[in-house]
Amino acid sequence: EAQVTQNPRYLITVTGKKLTVTCSQNMNHEYMSWYRQDPGLGLRQIYYSMNVEVTDKGDVPEGYKVSRKEKRNFPLILESPSPNQTSLYFCASSVTGINTEAFFGQGTRLTVV
Amino acid sequence: GENVEQHPSTLSVQEGDSAVIKCTYSDSASNYFPWYKQELGKRPQLIIDIRSNVGEKKDQRIAVTLNKTAKHFSLHITETQPEDSAVYFCAASYGNKLVFGAGTILRVKS
Repeated sequence: EAQVTQNPRYLITVTGKKLTVTCSQNMNHEYMSWYRQDPGLGLRQIYYSMNVEVTDKGDVPEGYKVSRKEKRNFPLILESPSPNQTSLYFCASSVTGINTEAFFGQGTRLTVV
Repeated sequence: GENVEQHPSTLSVQEGDSAVIKCTYSDSASNYFPWYKQELGKRPQLIIDIRSNVGEKKDQRIAVTLNKTAKHFSLHITETQPEDSAVYFCAASYGNKLVFGAGTILRVKS
């Protein structure tokens, strides 16, 4: 089944404790991205990747890192999480770029205390 | 800067009525405009999209119109049903990025 898989689905952590949210897609998509969803703000793009080893900042990259060592995986890293990073996170992938349908993962609900 | 404004933020309609959600974007170079539906607790899913070389696109009860001059695009849902109740997001492409509107909560009352 074609899908985008994120883990974990829920995470509660403490300020400053490094964490990684994984994202994997099995559709051989070139474009992958991370979004955060906050009430009243919609979905805001954190980072995106056009292909392996090619990543770039979205609109809200501060406090986040990503890597794209393999085509299928695009992990999101929070080196020192802070409470303002409490949010719902979505990973998404598209066939070739932003002008094609984005397939979203199930979401990761992150709480930083 | 890159911006997508979406209105209204909430919309209540009676079952069978039509619903219209409007968005404006700021960059005339934007050329891709998708609409996503997000049901409660679920992931966003594409329902329809339109590219800048087309003025209108329709898929059964859903249609999208684009006015490039005004930098404005709209989602039209006809004969609304309770299962249309969800949050709807518009988006516009800016280079290699996708910028979303803040979302519209649509409630269809039966």
